[in-house]
Amino acid sequence: QVQLVESGGGAVQPGRSLRLSCAASGFTFSRYAMHWVRQAPGKGPEWVALIWYDGDKKYYADSVKGRFAISRDNSKDTLYLRMNSLRAEDTAVYYCVRGKVGGIFYFEYWGQGTLVTVPS
Amino acid sequence: DIQLTQSASFLSASVGDRVTITCRASQDISNDLAWYQQKPGKAPNLLIYAASTLQSGVPSRFSGSGSGTEFTLTISSLQPEDFATYYCQQLNTYPLTFGPGTKVDTK
Repeated sequence: QVQLVESGGGAVQPGRSLRLSCAASGFTFSRYAMHWVRQAPGKGPEWVALIWYDGDKKYYADSVKGRFAISRDNSKDTLYLRMNSLRAEDTAVYYCVRGKVGGIFYFEYWGQGTLVTVPS
Repeated sequence: DIQLTQSASFLSASVGDRVTITCRASQDISNDLAWYQQKPGKAPNLLIYAASTLQSGVPSRFSGSGSGTEFTLTISSLQPEDFATYYCQQLNTYPLTFGPGTKVDTK
């Protein structure tokens, strides 16, 4: 079965960096586009970034563009999110998400999430 | 960016009620809309995609309709496990965006 396991979250000071990882299993990782979606405490989900199956194309939310970088290593079945210049408003649970077959923008499989906390 | 609004932030209902949640888009998004259910401490769960297609494994009491700028999620007979927060999401244009959510709680 599809499994997505995030790691790398934690408390970090404003302006510092953090790298999240997502280990994928149960499907052929290299065939799927992948997303990061975050959810601040008490708020709705917010799409963060998308990377094409081969890493060729990447898209970002305006709120993170220029500060965050999505990447993947298909040889390790792992998705990454490098987060630089972190701000208090980046505090959220970050989910690794796989899209549906035939509909990559529908968020079908989610990890359990990893919490990133940036104090104000 | 395409903004999504939902008809209510909170909705009180009883088991057996028919529940309808509306999502409106700030511009025409065709049928590029999904609905998710989220329970506390859990990730969202895909219920409906392409505005009206039921995701595999989702009970048939859930249905979706609409196109263009107005969409609805209907629960035909609310069950105890359906008390949760519901979000719409558009995928017509980057950035992909979610609605603010509708929390369905017990009356």
